[in-house]
Amino acid sequence: SQQGEEDPQALSIQEGENATMNCSYKTSINNLQWYRQNSGRGLVHLILIRSNEREKHSGRLRVTLDTSKKSSSLLITASRAADTASYFCALGGQAGTALIFGKGTTLSVSS
Amino acid sequence: DTAVSQTPKYLVTQMGNDKSIKCEQNLGHDTMYWYKQDSKKFLKIMFSYNNKELIINETVPNRFSPKSPDKAHLNLHINSLELGDSAVYFCASSQGFGTGLLNTEAFFGQGTRLTVV
Repeated sequence: SQQGEEDPQALSIQEGENATMNCSYKTSINNLQWYRQNSGRGLVHLILIRSNEREKHSGRLRVTLDTSKKSSSLLITASRAADTASYFCALGGQAGTALIFGKGTTLSVSS
Repeated sequence: DTAVSQTPKYLVTQMGNDKSIKCEQNLGHDTMYWYKQDSKKFLKIMFSYNNKELIINETVPNRFSPKSPDKAHLNLHINSLELGDSAVYFCASSQGFGTGLLNTEAFFGQGTRLTVV
């Protein structure tokens, strides 16, 4: 399968806790991106990490990429109820290709 | 201003009908996409156009026909709708020739929820 595989499929945490989601893939990539989808809405880009990068931060988000293991993780620190959403990893390949999405992790943050 | 807009947001129709979904982007992007999201939230690429030229055509029934009158618009026409076509269809756009080479993000519309009854 060319798609990413997120783990876990669902995650429930309390406000203030950290949330970690993982993505594994099998193909070669130029970049790996994470998107958020709130219920009934479109996808919103969160962060992009290039294949030659190992770690990237954006606000409360931290993304790591291990191309030798073909895996990535997304860490959301100090979660808030507003972080409740589905999170998808997406694989950016060669020129002229579209993003290939995983099946997503559903995050529920309760107050 | 909405970056990527699709209409309609909801579409309920009977089996056998023909329907269209329109998409427009005001970001000046070169590439546009159609994705289908099923009931399990799995997103699958259907088509992609770059400067009005079809560059990606995944295994999609030929009842689905995309049309790009200019690089800011990508419409999706569906003939002879079937129950299995029920899903949420997302339009997206990105700069450059796909999202890999230039390491660019994709911008998504709000989706069109198609229900075939």
